[in-house]
Amino acid sequence: KNQVEQSPQSLIILEGKNCTLQCNYTVSPFSNLRWYKQDTGRGPVSLTIMTFSENTKSNGRYTATLDADTKQSSLHITASQLSDSASYICVVSGRIGTYKYIFGTGTRLKVLA
Amino acid sequence: NAGVTQTPKFQVLKTGQSMTLQCAQDMNHEYMSWYRQDPGMGLRLIHYSVGAGITDQGEVPNGYNVSRSTTEDFPLRLLSAAPSQTSVYFCASSPTGGRINYGYTFGSGTRLTVV
Repeated sequence: KNQVEQSPQSLIILEGKNCTLQCNYTVSPFSNLRWYKQDTGRGPVSLTIMTFSENTKSNGRYTATLDADTKQSSLHITASQLSDSASYICVVSGRIGTYKYIFGTGTRLKVLA
Repeated sequence: NAGVTQTPKFQVLKTGQSMTLQCAQDMNHEYMSWYRQDPGMGLRLIHYSVGAGITDQGEVPNGYNVSRSTTEDFPLRLLSAAPSQTSVYFCASSPTGGRINYGYTFGSGTRLTVV
């Protein structure tokens, strides 16, 4: 069964610290992986999109990595800010051209002052 | 550019009532879709459309209808609301659904409670 699992479920860090969120997937074949940020009460916003040939992609203080061999991805947040408090969702597409994506349940990050 | 606009933001329905959740985008996106988000679960696809006049079912289509008469609008109809349809509903659009380099633009959601 195609699944996307994220860990941890929730995380609390102090402002200015770094953190890494994990995403493991069993989707096969693999097309692309996306990370979204979802603020409370809002819709998800795209952070990065990676294909199977990409290992790393950055978007400001957000850096996503992908290991297609082990089917793992991580999202690293550098020098966290209070505005980083949100849920981070990993989404995997199993086939090029498909309109159907598999969403993880997200990691809820809380950044404290 | 307003992006993706969903209305209403909140709605309470009684079991058996029907209603339509509205979704409009002003980005000329071909692809539009509806998702529901429930606690402890990832977003699940209800219905999607790859262009005006074309719709298809997603993962959880039962109890919902859609139509796409224009590029801009993609309403979601609940035919006879049930408590199991209590959820947060998101509309999303993309220039083309399968293209790798395009992410989705999501609306801000509709929180629906069925009592």
